[in-house]
Amino acid sequence: DTAVSQTPKYLVTQMGNDKSIKCEQNLGHDTMYWYKQDSKKFLKIMFSYNNKELIINETVPNRFSPKSPDKAHLNLHINSLELGDSAVYFCASSLGTGAQPQHFGDGTRLSIL
Amino acid sequence: AQSVTQPDIHITVSEGASLELRCNYSYGATPYLFWYVQSPGQGLQLLLKYFSGDTLVQGIKGFEAEFKRSQSSFNLRKPSVHWSDAAEYFCAVGAQRGSYIPTFGRGTSLIVHP
Repeated sequence: DTAVSQTPKYLVTQMGNDKSIKCEQNLGHDTMYWYKQDSKKFLKIMFSYNNKELIINETVPNRFSPKSPDKAHLNLHINSLELGDSAVYFCASSLGTGAQPQHFGDGTRLSIL
Repeated sequence: AQSVTQPDIHITVSEGASLELRCNYSYGATPYLFWYVQSPGQGLQLLLKYFSGDTLVQGIKGFEAEFKRSQSSFNLRKPSVHWSDAAEYFCAVGAQRGSYIPTFGRGTSLIVHP
C-alpha cells in the first residue's frame, strides 16, 4: 500500500504544452506539499495545503496552479511549459504543518523538449 | 528566518567505515530537526527526528544523530557504512511557530567505495 502516490512517474512533453501531476495520500494526513527538485538536488517548496486551504504559496510562476479537491489529494497543473520547468516534482504529506515529519512520493520527472 | 547548512556536498567513505554528515541550523528557539535520505529515483524517507528530550536520537537503518545546541548542529552518524547507504542525505528544520515553511539543506551525496 503506497502511502503517497504520484502519477505519472515520468512526463515528457514539448514547450508550450499544459500538463497535470496528481498526488494522493492514504495516511490520513491533513497537510500536503509540492516541491521542485532541480538537477543539483536542491529541494524547493512550492505550495502547501492544510485541510484544503492554501497555506504556502512560494515565489512560483502563476503558470503553476495547485488544486486540492479533498485532504487526501493535491494536484499540480502547469500551463505553457518552459524548458526551465524540467525537474523532479515531489508531493509530500504530514500530520499538521511543516514542523512535523513529511512523507514523500517517489516523484514525477518532468522533461521539456 | 530559519536556515540549514550542510557544508559537505559530497562525502566518500569505504564500506565498513564510520560516517558523519554535518548539519548546522539557524533558528530562534529550540528547533524541530530531521534527517531524510533519498535513494536514486525515489522520494525522501525520514531517517530520524529530534523534537525535545534526549539529544542523541536513534533512527532507522542504524543511523543516529546528536543535537548540540551550543554548536547549532545536528550531525548524522553511522558506525559502519554499507554499500546500500549510498544516497543523498538531507537535513531539515521544522517550521517556526506561526509559519508553515519547513527548510531543507542542500543535501550531501554519500558515495560508498567497496
